[in-house]
Amino acid sequence: AQKVTQAQTEISVVEKEDVTLDCVYETRDTTYYLFWYKQPPSGELVFLIRRNSFDEQNEISGRYSWNFQKSTSSFNFTITASQVVDSAVYFCALSEASGYSSASKIIFGSGTRLSIRP
Amino acid sequence: DVKVTQSSRYLVKRTGEKVFLECVQDMDHENMFWYRQDPGLGLRLIYFSYDVKMKEKGDIPEGYSVSREKKERFSLILESASTNQTSMYLCASRPGSAGRYEQYFGPGTRLTVT
Repeated sequence: AQKVTQAQTEISVVEKEDVTLDCVYETRDTTYYLFWYKQPPSGELVFLIRRNSFDEQNEISGRYSWNFQKSTSSFNFTITASQVVDSAVYFCALSEASGYSSASKIIFGSGTRLSIRP
Repeated sequence: DVKVTQSSRYLVKRTGEKVFLECVQDMDHENMFWYRQDPGLGLRLIYFSYDVKMKEKGDIPEGYSVSREKKERFSLILESASTNQTSMYLCASRPGSAGRYEQYFGPGTRLTVT
């Protein structure tokens, strides 16, 4: 069965600090996809990144970076030099690539609430 | 940019009313989804649709139905609203092509049933 665990319920840091959000997943499939979403106070979930199980290269996008390690089933998200606008709930998610691709659902973690203090 | 819109940001209805939540996407996506989000329970899938007039139950379909008469529109129906259906409802869509499994979400509808 699929499962996504975000053990950190809430994190609070001071602006400009680096912060890492942890994500651990479980799946029996060899082909799967991992995602991160951001949910600001406005409520809309914003897609940040997709990673497939065959690509373990780390990704960097501006102040955001993602570390995917199959050996530990982790897909961690780091924000460098955090800003107040980064305050949001962040969700890690997993989708298995079933034979019927349209039926592939996303399983979300419980989310980590990140607060950046000025 | 993918655009998913929902008919209302906030909605207040009375117990027993029939409630329609509308979702429209403008990217010709085959798949559409309805979730509800509650504190402590995360996002839970209610129904999804992989084509016009096609639907499948998600994890918590009880008390809900859906309609997809056109590709761009996916409606969630609460036949007789109850207070335990007070929640944030999120619609999402994604392409049908393999490898594009990320979903794109609308702004959400916060429904209160009194």
